[in-house]
Amino acid sequence: AQTIHQWPVAEIKAVGSPLSLGCTIKGKSSPNLYWYWQATGGTLQQLFYSITVGQVESVVQLNLSASRPKDDQFILSTEKLLLSHSGFYLCAWSGAQDTQYFGPGTRLLVL
Amino acid sequence: AQSVTQPDARVTVSEGASLQLRCKYSYSGTPYLFWYVQYPRQGLQLLLKYYSGDPVVQGVNGFEAEFSKSNSSFHLRKASVHWSDSAVYFCVLRANNNAGAKLTFGGGTRLTVRP
Repeated sequence: AQTIHQWPVAEIKAVGSPLSLGCTIKGKSSPNLYWYWQATGGTLQQLFYSITVGQVESVVQLNLSASRPKDDQFILSTEKLLLSHSGFYLCAWSGAQDTQYFGPGTRLLVL
Repeated sequence: AQSVTQPDARVTVSEGASLQLRCKYSYSGTPYLFWYVQYPRQGLQLLLKYYSGDPVVQGVNGFEAEFSKSNSSFHLRKASVHWSDSAVYFCVLRANNNAGAKLTFGGGTRLTVRP
């Protein structure tokens, strides 16, 4: 069975500080990977997706970047956090042309 | 462009009552539709999905949904709710079947089940 793990579980960071969030999928070869952002009490917005190692497509620009250094890993980062980056970050995976399955999420508070 | 509307931001029902959560979509092509549930402080879990065929699809935990092309709707139903069904429910549309196809989320409906 496939498992998806996100780290850290939660972060409190200062405005202007860097950020790195991670996502790992086990049990699935060559998954499609996605990053989503959810404002508190809001709906989800897709940020990035990747269908292969080293390739990342941006969907929405929020002063964030993403990388896929390994087949099973997806990283979301920024060098300088904004207050508006606060929220819930969700990673998801899918097979080719298939349903997306979400990870447990990382809660971020920027102060 | 596509969109998903969940007209009821909040729904409150008593335990044991029947439930319908509404979802309307706008998309000119063939939609792929999903319902996800989000429990407090957790990620999203898939309840059910519709790709084609029988317009009534069964999901987990007794949920079902009915697709209507004429009404551009994909309403979620449950015959008898339990207090543990309290959560936020998202109706989601995928516009095509390509890898990386963007998901469009409705605003969500917060369901509260009174004991």
